[in-house]
Amino acid sequence: AQKVTQAQTEISVVEKEDVTLDCVYETRDTTYYLFWYKQPPSGELVFLIRRNSFDEQNEISGRYSWNFQKSTSSFNFTITASQVVDSAVYFCALTNDYKLSFGAGTTVTVRA
Amino acid sequence: GEEVAQTPKHLVRGEGQKAKLYCAPIKGHSYVFWYQQVLKNEFKFLISFQNENVFDETGMPKERFSAKCLPNSPCSLEIQATKLEDSAVYFCASSQSSPGRAVSTEAFFGQGTRLTVV
Repeated sequence: AQKVTQAQTEISVVEKEDVTLDCVYETRDTTYYLFWYKQPPSGELVFLIRRNSFDEQNEISGRYSWNFQKSTSSFNFTITASQVVDSAVYFCALTNDYKLSFGAGTTVTVRA
Repeated sequence: GEEVAQTPKHLVRGEGQKAKLYCAPIKGHSYVFWYQQVLKNEFKFLISFQNENVFDETGMPKERFSAKCLPNSPCSLEIQATKLEDSAVYFCASSQSSPGRAVSTEAFFGQGTRLTVV
């Protein structure tokens, strides 16, 4: 069985603040993949990143960065200098077979 | 096509009526997945296909839900005798290979079909 927990239901920040979204996962498999998706108010799902269990290197893409810590089963996501366009629901997901298991999502609201 | 195309965007059905949703995966993608998103957040896996074969249907409420992926046709998800609790956004995703097994691919999601049962 696999499970993804996003403990933060909602986060509200003022523009230019940094925001970190937590993701903790459970799996018995040694090989698995972790994802982050963004769902803006328009409703579509936007792929942000995919990380396999053997690659613990942190990644930075523009204002986005991800911290994968296998020892604590966490895959946290930070938005630096947030902007209003970052307002969305962010989902962490896990797969070790043929389907993605999603966390409950964290709603991020960035106020101008 | 270069994107997963889901139709219709919105669907309203009276309780007890049938609902049919369509998904055209990205050309060349062999896996199709259906997810149900209720209450805006929670995603529930329904079913996956490898080409036209059912790969995993552990999430399907089989009494009223059925799905198909036939060659040269969009995939479909059908709900017989809809209930109020079926109101949700249904997402279809396709991938070149399974998200868990591929080296560099991920599942591409369609825009979703919002089903409202009244």
